[in-house]
Amino acid sequence: KQEVTQIPAALSVPEGENLVLNCSFTDSAIYNLQWFRQDPGKGLTSLLLIQSSQREQTSGRLNASLDKSSGRSTLYIAASQPGDSATYLCAVKGEGTSGSRLTFGEGTQLTVNP
Amino acid sequence: KAGVTQTPRYLIKTRGQQVTLSCSPISGHRSVSWYQQTPGQGLQFLFEYFSETQRNKGNFPGRFSGRQFSNSRSEMNVSTLELGDSALYLCASSFGGTGFSYEQYFGPGTRLTVT
Repeated sequence: KQEVTQIPAALSVPEGENLVLNCSFTDSAIYNLQWFRQDPGKGLTSLLLIQSSQREQTSGRLNASLDKSSGRSTLYIAASQPGDSATYLCAVKGEGTSGSRLTFGEGTQLTVNP
Repeated sequence: KAGVTQTPRYLIKTRGQQVTLSCSPISGHRSVSWYQQTPGQGLQFLFEYFSETQRNKGNFPGRFSGRQFSNSRSEMNVSTLELGDSALYLCASSFGGTGFSYEQYFGPGTRLTVT
């Protein structure tokens, strides 16, 4: 059974700092990994999708890397801003499983202080 | 292109009642998945529908059911509500077919409160 863990559970940083969020998964047989952002009481916004054959993806100030063999992914946020404050979730889709089922981590709650 | 929409956004029900939630996927998407989010359990997969057929099912009791229509819209039903069913219910859509990325797009959710 796939398990996804995110460390740290919460993070508070001053504005402008570069930061790294970590995600690990127990079964390396994944099809893809997706990073999401969730604002309080809202739905999830997709940030980056990394296919199992890829090493990293970038979008603006965000960069996500994937090391499938070691079961790890990191989300790097450059020059953080107060608007980045949210919960960040990673989720994996298993390889060899039909369908779109995702297994989620518990999330990292990020606070960026002005 | 319109995103995933869910109705209603908020719902208050009494224990023992039943409830139906609706999800309209992004145009062209054929897969709709449902998730339950609670503070204690996080995001838990309920089920997925693809081309009107249930393709995957999570570990939830039979009180939770769903269906998908020919236009890909999906409904989720919970019968005999319990206090523990209070949660944010999220649906996600994707193309869902072989050869696609399976990237998921989520709706805003329905906040269900059971009293």
